[in-house]
Amino acid sequence: EAQVTQNPRYLITVTGKKLTVTCSQNMNHEYMSWYRQDPGLGLRQIYYSMNVEVTDKGDVPEGYKVSRKEKRNFPLILESPSPNQTSLYFCASSLMGTLNTGELFFGEGSRLTVL
Amino acid sequence: AQSVTQPDIHITVSEGASLELRCNYSYGATPYLFWYVQSPGQGLQLLLKYFSGDTLVQGIKGFEAEFKRSQSSFNLRKPSVHWSDAAEYFCAVGAGITGGGNKLTFGTGTQLKVEL
Repeated sequence: EAQVTQNPRYLITVTGKKLTVTCSQNMNHEYMSWYRQDPGLGLRQIYYSMNVEVTDKGDVPEGYKVSRKEKRNFPLILESPSPNQTSLYFCASSLMGTLNTGELFFGEGSRLTVL
Repeated sequence: AQSVTQPDIHITVSEGASLELRCNYSYGATPYLFWYVQSPGQGLQLLLKYFSGDTLVQGIKGFEAEFKRSQSSFNLRKPSVHWSDAAEYFCAVGAGITGGGNKLTFGTGTQLKVEL
């Protein structure tokens, strides 16, 4: 089954304790992206990657890091989480190039609480 | 910069009634437009999309949307709502393959409640 898998789905942590949210897709998609969803703000892009070793900032990258060492994986790293990073996070992927339809495929989300 | 406005934060309809969710976009070129649905505790699922051609597009679950360039709108409609349609709906605009990868800019969402 084609899917985007995020882990963990739920996490409560404390300020300053480094954490990583993993994202993996099995559709051989070149493009991957992270969004955060906050009430009244919709989804905002954090980082994206158009291929292995190619990453770039989205609209709200502060406090986050990403890496793309393999095509299927795109982890989101919070080096020193703060309470304002409490949010629902979504990983998404899609094809690029001539096969691109623009559609993003989303994971089920990771709800992060930073105390 | 592209942007999306969903003017209705909450909408309540009776089961069986018709539905229209509004979406206005701002984009300098021909937009790629999408509607996604998010059920509680779930990720986002694509309902339908518009790239070009026929301005009335059909999607899954009986939804349709009409692209009106003159009004910069892409409203979502359904003739008869079912209780299972209760969810949050997001309109999004994208640049497609020409810029910024596949970044989609989302509206703030419309929460749909269905009364039985």
